Amino acid sequence: NAGVTQTPKFRVLKTGQSMTLLCAQDMNHEYMYWYRQDPGMGLRLIHYSVGEGTTAKGEVPDGYNVSRLKKQNFLLGLESAAPSQTSVYFCASSYSPGQGLTTSYEQYFGPGTRLTVT
Amino acid sequence: LAKITQPISMDSYEGQEVNITCSHNNIATNDYITWYQQFPSQGPRFIIQGYKTKVTNEVASLFIPADRKSSTLSLPRVSLSDTAVYYCLVGPYSGAGSYQLTFGKGTKLSVIP
Repeated sequence: NAGVTQTPKFRVLKTGQSMTLLCAQDMNHEYMYWYRQDPGMGLRLIHYSVGEGTTAKGEVPDGYNVSRLKKQNFLLGLESAAPSQTSVYFCASSYSPGQGLTTSYEQYFGPGTRLTVT
Repeated sequence: LAKITQPISMDSYEGQEVNITCSHNNIATNDYITWYQQFPSQGPRFIIQGYKTKVTNEVASLFIPADRKSSTLSLPRVSLSDTAVYYCLVGPYSGAGSYQLTFGKGTKLSVIP
């Protein structure tokens, strides 16, 4: 049981390049999330998904796109990277209310991807 | 979005009880309060969650007053391994009909031997 995994762990991009971050979970969770973490800013929600084939915007969605083609995977894409997107990106997953044995919204986080855009 | 305020940093000696308070004045009726712990170069880890009154588990207690505009995470008898950043999270329903999660900016707890 690997939990939540993220690929890659580190990446350096030049301005204007594109890339996709992959998140995978093996806990059969319905909900998945992408966050970014910047110094002094805490974690901010970029996009989330409440089930396969559905996605929605979070607090800071501009410049990012996501897809949830399979229940276990949640992809975050940057079409044209900008230096302002330099950050640590975390993926998380959770049960939906009623899916698990509790109403807990406990999220399980991956180890993060450190992205630098030059 | 819920506006969340928590202290930037706290120091404590080993063996003491530590209380970290989070302010969330515009918490919505359906919002839960959750606390996470984060060590350097790792993802956050769930500590405890509550809706009202008091919740206790094997590692912490969470106190939530009746008006729910604040909450206090209590860590009993901290050790050096509790040195970490602690985040308060309010959600998921912080907006009209939307699923939003708002983290505080984190409290860096330093435990001193």
